[in-house]
Amino acid sequence: GDSVTQMEGPVTLSEEAFLTINCTYTATGYPSLFWYVQYPGEGLQLLLKATKADDKGSNKGFEATYRKETTSFHLEKGSVQVSDSAVYFCALRDTGNQFYFGTGTSLTVIP
Amino acid sequence: DAGVTQSPTHLIKTRGQQVTLRCSPKSGHDTVSWYQQALGQGPQFIFQYYEEEERQRGNFPDRFSGHQFPNYSSELNVNALLLGDSALYLCASSFGGGAPYEQYFGPGTRLTVT
Repeated sequence: GDSVTQMEGPVTLSEEAFLTINCTYTATGYPSLFWYVQYPGEGLQLLLKATKADDKGSNKGFEATYRKETTSFHLEKGSVQVSDSAVYFCALRDTGNQFYFGTGTSLTVIP
Repeated sequence: DAGVTQSPTHLIKTRGQQVTLRCSPKSGHDTVSWYQQALGQGPQFIFQYYEEEERQRGNFPDRFSGHQFPNYSSELNVNALLLGDSALYLCASSFGGGAPYEQYFGPGTRLTVT
């Protein structure tokens, strides 16, 4: 069945460091791909999305490119801030319109 | 503008009992989806309600049922609780049924089954 595998955490970075959180997927057909972020005590928020191969989603300095050839959707940010500390979830929406989430990666940014 | 709200925040139940969780969607939204998030895991889709009907269902047993009211709010009912039902239950709202690109999640209800 369809699934998402993402890099296990926790990840700890210093402020202004470069961030990469790896995400790969398994799906039949052409899914849409998403990154969600969950700040402490809050619900999940959509961070960015990409609906077809080679699309790049971006928001708040975060980027991810839909790579069909490697079935990947890695999240990147060039310079993280303390306020980026959160749990990040990679997700896909399959052609049957169901969502599948990864297990989440906890990010802590220290000043 | 209130976002998605869920009640209660926390709940403790005993095995075999029944529980009802509630969700009010974001203003203007008419579709509610429910997810189960076990500790250390990502959310798993339970079902979606639109126009007061269950439209899609994930791989969950019939012990999990729901309802949507005319004001678009929704309930999740779980019967014959098992220890493994302990999790954070998330509600997400959207507009127009189907599988949305934009879902707004509530903060969740933490259910503990003892």
